[in-house]
Amino acid sequence: DGGITQSPKYLFRKEGQNVTLSCEQNLNHDAMYWYRQDPGQGLRLIYYSQIVNDFQKGDIAEGYSVSREKKESFPLTVTSAQKNPTAFYLCASSRGRGPTDTQYFGPGTRLTVL
Amino acid sequence: AQSVTQPDIHITVSEGASLELRCNYSYGATPYLFWYVQSPGQGLQLLLKYFSGDTLVQGIKGFEAEFKRSQSSFNLRKPSVHWSDAAEYFCAVGAWNYGGSQGNLIFGKGTKLSVKP
Repeated sequence: DGGITQSPKYLFRKEGQNVTLSCEQNLNHDAMYWYRQDPGQGLRLIYYSQIVNDFQKGDIAEGYSVSREKKESFPLTVTSAQKNPTAFYLCASSRGRGPTDTQYFGPGTRLTVL
Repeated sequence: AQSVTQPDIHITVSEGASLELRCNYSYGATPYLFWYVQSPGQGLQLLLKYFSGDTLVQGIKGFEAEFKRSQSSFNLRKPSVHWSDAAEYFCAVGAWNYGGSQGNLIFGKGTKLSVKP
């Protein structure tokens, strides 16, 4: 089955720690995305990548970092510089960057800072 | 600038009643429109999309949406709501991504649907 996997489903972090969220896709998609979701705020784009070894900041990139070393993988690191990291994180991918390229989503990771 | 507005933050309907969720977009060119659904604690699932042709689009789970260019709207409808339809619904418009701070889809803030027994 083709799809997007995210791990872990739940993640707990102590203040001052960096944590990395995994996102893998086997859809052979070029573009991948990371969103943050908070109650009542919809989806906010953190980073996206249109091709391997390239990525762009979204609207709320501060305190986050990404890499795209392989087409199928787009991990997100939440650094200690992110002041309020508790949220639901969604990864998505699309075939291309055009307006008709549907984004497909993973099941999400819920991050809680203790 | 492109934008999507979902005017209703939360809607409650009775099971078996009809449903209409509103979506208005702002986009200069021909819009490419999407509806997604998100069950609690889950990712988003594509319900339907409109690119061209017949302005009434059928999707999964018995949903349909109608594109009205004159009203810049793409409202989602279902004739009879089931308790399992309780979820959050997101409307989105496709946009060319020229490497700025947005991806290729611009999402509305969502409408949460509650279903009364």
